[in-house]
Amino acid sequence: DQQVKQNSPSLSVQEGRISILNCDYTNSMFDYFLWYKKYPAEGPTFLISISSIKDKNEDGRFTVFLNKSAKHLSLHIVPSQPGDSAVYFCAASIRGYSTLTFGKGTMLLVSP
Amino acid sequence: DSGVTQTPKHLITATGQRVTLRCSPRSGDLSVYWYQQSLDQGLQFLIQYYNGEERAKGNILERFSAQQFPDLHSELNLSSLELGDSALYFCASSVFGGTSYEQYFGPGTRLTVT
Repeated sequence: DQQVKQNSPSLSVQEGRISILNCDYTNSMFDYFLWYKKYPAEGPTFLISISSIKDKNEDGRFTVFLNKSAKHLSLHIVPSQPGDSAVYFCAASIRGYSTLTFGKGTMLLVSP
Repeated sequence: DSGVTQTPKHLITATGQRVTLRCSPRSGDLSVYWYQQSLDQGLQFLIQYYNGEERAKGNILERFSAQQFPDLHSELNLSSLELGDSALYFCASSVFGGTSYEQYFGPGTRLTVT
């Protein structure tokens, strides 16, 4: 039973446009969410996070939106750059527990 | 560079064998996590250690075990290997107990069981 779902295995976007990556979760106990980026032959790297007390968190070109009622979060990348091409993993945790539950990832391809 | 190191990078072994994967966490991090990433699968949490003690267990098979040593490095032992154990194994570390839940991942060990 997947508690964190990324339903789009891949996404293609042109350079300069917006990339929107989506993530849904089923466990209402989750209250902290993170996005990780992974390049081939490397481990995932932390990108941005959001606590359930917020509905938006922004860091440069990256913004994460959280809709608790829909149990949905999204990562917006504006403007997208070819260097953003990677696999993006959504992860969730329960405050007080440090373990993370990951989705299967979405491969983003940004073409020039 | 996350500061987390894993050895070896690649490992090829036969079914029925036993292997040990090693992880050194970032300086100052007390928690170590192990994850498995199989083909088309996300990162599956296996086990967490905090300052030498097992803290949480995920989908870890009984054939697998781990430990964290006094110098905080960790080893994941995989025994009676099967073809299905072929995967990328990641180690991550974090400062447990703070407000930061970010985990820092090593580059992974690719295990191939033939």
